[in-house]
Order: sequence, then structure tokens, then C-alpha cells
Amino acid sequence: EIVLTQSPGTLSLSPGERVTLSCRASETVSSNYLAWYQQKPGQAPRLLIYGASSRATGIPDRFSGSGSGTDFTLTISRLEPEDFAVYYCQQYGSSPLYTFGQGTKLEIK
Amino acid sequence: QVQLVESGGGLVKPGGSLRLSCAASGFTFSDYYMSWIRQAPGKGLAWVSYISSGGNIVYYADSVKGRFTISRDNTKNSLYLQMNSLRAEDTAVYYCARGPSPDPWGQGTLVTVSS
Repeated sequence: EIVLTQSPGTLSLSPGERVTLSCRASETVSSNYLAWYQQKPGQAPRLLIYGASSRATGIPDRFSGSGSGTDFTLTISRLEPEDFAVYYCQQYGSSPLYTFGQGTKLEIK
Repeated sequence: QVQLVESGGGLVKPGGSLRLSCAASGFTFSDYYMSWIRQAPGKGLAWVSYISSGGNIVYYADSVKGRFTISRDNTKNSLYLQMNSLRAEDTAVYYCARGPSPDPWGQGTLVTVSS
């Protein structure tokens, strides 16, 4: 089973800042099948990025994903107030054991 | 638009059973893998089970293998999760979701296992 480790656990930032979240896999993620999700309190997760770098439908271009192999990042170029949430990475290249990272909480400073 | 609506959650005693349902609309249900993913209170996301588009391939997390059964009815655009021998650690919000990089997700249904 591929283990995904996200860092940091919590980030305190201000609107307007740029942020980079990290997701490291315990082994190579096949075909860069790595996705990122955003979850706000009381809501279901929402897909942001799939295939490591492709934005899902309707996702603003301030969100971008990059990386390959075992190291992946999600960057938000300029934080908006609605971006403060928990972010999860997920790999879907190692069937059948799709796995999630433990999450990074982005909070307002 | 694409929509997934879960139902069937509730309070059940340890050792009891519950059947979750997920009604899909807005897309060709029979074309997609479907999944159940859960989130314990205050915790992260955990894959529970998935089923192939035709229903012939299924997967279960080790924590639920032998107790949970996933199924689908493509004629009714519906996904199911039969949960038996429930334990306190199964307490969670259960989401149904479309595809291996799930999108979209339903709103979730809360399952509470407690005496």
C-alpha cells in the first residue's frame, strides 16, 4: 500500500499570500495518478486537481498542481478567504489500494 | 447536473446492520466505477470499497472485508453498501463518489455505532 504523507499538518497564512502544500508518496505513483481535494467544514470534499497537474472543471486558475514520481505539490498563488480549508492528496495509480494523505489544514492567520 | 444523494445512515448498536444507498443522476451511471469513502468524526478520509462499472470487480479495505458488501443496480442508477457486524470504529460519515479520482461526491450520510 502506498502511504502518502502531507506536510505541514497546519499552516497559518493571510489572504493574498502564496502557499505550497506537499504530498510525498512512499513509492512511485503510477502514471502520476495523484489528485488533490479541498474540504470545508460540514461539506463533502471537492476535487481540485487530477493527474497531478490538471485542474478539475470550474476550479480557479490560482490552484495548480505539480510533481511526479513520489513528490507532489499543490500551489495556491494568491489565497482568497474561501480557500481556508483542509486539503487532501490521494493516489489512484496503485489499484486496488487507493489511498489518501492525512490532510493539511490551511487556517487564517 | 451530476448529483449523488446518499441515504440510509443512522444510529445502530454494535453488531447490527445497516444498508446505505446512493442515488445517481445527471450522468451515465453504468459507465463509471463507484466508491464508498468514509470519514470518522474529526479524522481524515478513508477508502472503504469500490465497484467496477459492470459490478464484476469489487474492492474492500481490510478493515471492512467480510463485513461490508458493495453492490449496484445500473437499471436504477443506484449504489449500495450493506454493512453487517458493525463496530464502534465504523462510526463515520459515508460518502459515495464517482470514479477513481472521485468527482463528484455525495453530501454524505452519518452512521453512528453505539450502544
